[in-house]
Amino acid sequence: GQNIDQPTEMTATEGAIVQINCTYQTSGFNGLFWYQQHAGEAPTFLSYNVLDGLEEKGRFSSFLSRSKGYSYLLLKELQMKDSASYLCAVRDRTGGFKTIFGAGTRLFVKA
Amino acid sequence: DTGVSQNPRHKITKRGQNVTFRCDPISEHNRLYWYRQTLGQGPEFLTYFQNEAQLEKSRLLSDRFSAERPKGSFSTLEIQRTEQGDSAMYLCASSFSGGSNTGELFFGEGSRLTVL
Repeated sequence: GQNIDQPTEMTATEGAIVQINCTYQTSGFNGLFWYQQHAGEAPTFLSYNVLDGLEEKGRFSSFLSRSKGYSYLLLKELQMKDSASYLCAVRDRTGGFKTIFGAGTRLFVKA
Repeated sequence: DTGVSQNPRHKITKRGQNVTFRCDPISEHNRLYWYRQTLGQGPEFLTYFQNEAQLEKSRLLSDRFSAERPKGSFSTLEIQRTEQGDSAMYLCASSFSGGSNTGELFFGEGSRLTVL
C-alpha cells in the first residue's frame, strides 16, 4: 500500500522562506509531485522529482531522497498569494501508475 | 478552452437518488483519473483509465460507484443510491504518458455533490 505524511498546517511571514516536508512509503515508486491548491480551486502542478536531488523552478524548489522516502518543497520570498494547500503526491507503478495524494499542508502567509 | 472540463459543477440530490458526472479530458491525454475530495483532505483516488481500459478501482469504493470511458475520450462517474457520506467534490484529472513527459495531472474544476 501507500502512505504519505505531511504537516497539517504551517504559518510563515511574507518575504521569508518555508520548507514543507513529506515522507512516503510505496512499493513501486515512480515519481513525486507537488501541487498547489487554493481554497475552492483545483490543484495545479508545481514540481516533479524522480531522481534524488534538488529541482529548482523560480521561487519554488523541491528535493527528493528515494532511500529515505523523503521530499520537501521550499518556497522562497513568500508572498501573500502563496497562502494555499500544498499537496505531496506519489506515482506508484504497482497496478498501473496511479497517483496518490497526501492530505496536504495548509500554508498561511502573514504580513 | 482546452483544459479539463467537468459537468455539472454542482449537484444537489436527495438520498437514494442516482447521479452521474461527466469529464472531458485534454484531447491528447491518454490517462484519466477520478478523485474525491472533502474539506481539509487531499484528493482520494477513486479510479483510473488508460485510454478506454479501467486499470484500477479503489477498494474503498463500494459497488454503488461505477465509471466508464467509452472510446478512450470522455468519462462518466455514476453513483447509485447516493448516501449523505457521498457528499464531496469529485475531481477529474488527465495526463499524457510517453516520452520524456513527467505525466503531471491536469485537473478539472470539479463537480460538487451535496446529498440531502
